[in-house]
Amino acid sequence: NAGVTQTPKFQVLKTGQSMTLQCAQDMNHEYMSWYRQDPGMGLRLIHYSVGAGITDQGEVPNGYNVSRSTTEDFPLRLLSAAPSQTSVYFCASSYSWGGAMETQYFGPGTRLLVL
Amino acid sequence: QQQVKQSPQSLIVQKGGISIINCAYENTAFDYFPWYQQFPGKGPALLIAIRPDVSEKKEGRFTISFNKSAKQFSLHIMDSQPGDSATYFCAAGAGSYQLTFGKGTKLSVIP
Repeated sequence: NAGVTQTPKFQVLKTGQSMTLQCAQDMNHEYMSWYRQDPGMGLRLIHYSVGAGITDQGEVPNGYNVSRSTTEDFPLRLLSAAPSQTSVYFCASSYSWGGAMETQYFGPGTRLLVL
Repeated sequence: QQQVKQSPQSLIVQKGGISIINCAYENTAFDYFPWYQQFPGKGPALLIAIRPDVSEKKEGRFTISFNKSAKQFSLHIMDSQPGDSATYFCAAGAGSYQLTFGKGTKLSVIP
């Protein structure tokens, strides 16, 4: 199993550009989530999904869109990047019956710099 | 706003010593308290977790102590090793779908 994979590893954007951060898992997990990690701020939940076609907002959803068309993939879209979105982004997944209350498996992260 | 307050921000411990990280929460509905460990350049990984029906859980050198009345929980690392040097995050959750994380503690274990 590859576990949770994320691409790209690093990206530089200019303000106003759009991009999609990719996340995939091969563990057949129903629950997937996106977090951002900023220095001294811990991990903050952006969006999560409890299955294909079902998504919901977390603590800091503004500026981000998600969709979930398959169990395996959960992309995160930035429609118009802002410097405040400079961060490290982590995708995570876990079994559906526990959601976030069970072991979440995190990907290696995408480091995003918005100039 | 649901908060989890974690202290200290950083911790230096001698090899073989005990590392203690504390967290406090406000929301009495929280019913799941995990600790995640993160090495530089890696994603966090679940270390140990506890639910409020027990006051302590031990896994190897790692122990969670939970005080429901004080709304506090802590991570104890016994016989700390240089390989334990990492950032540790506490978290708390209510319901199934959202965790609130503390801001993290950077632990350095020196030989």
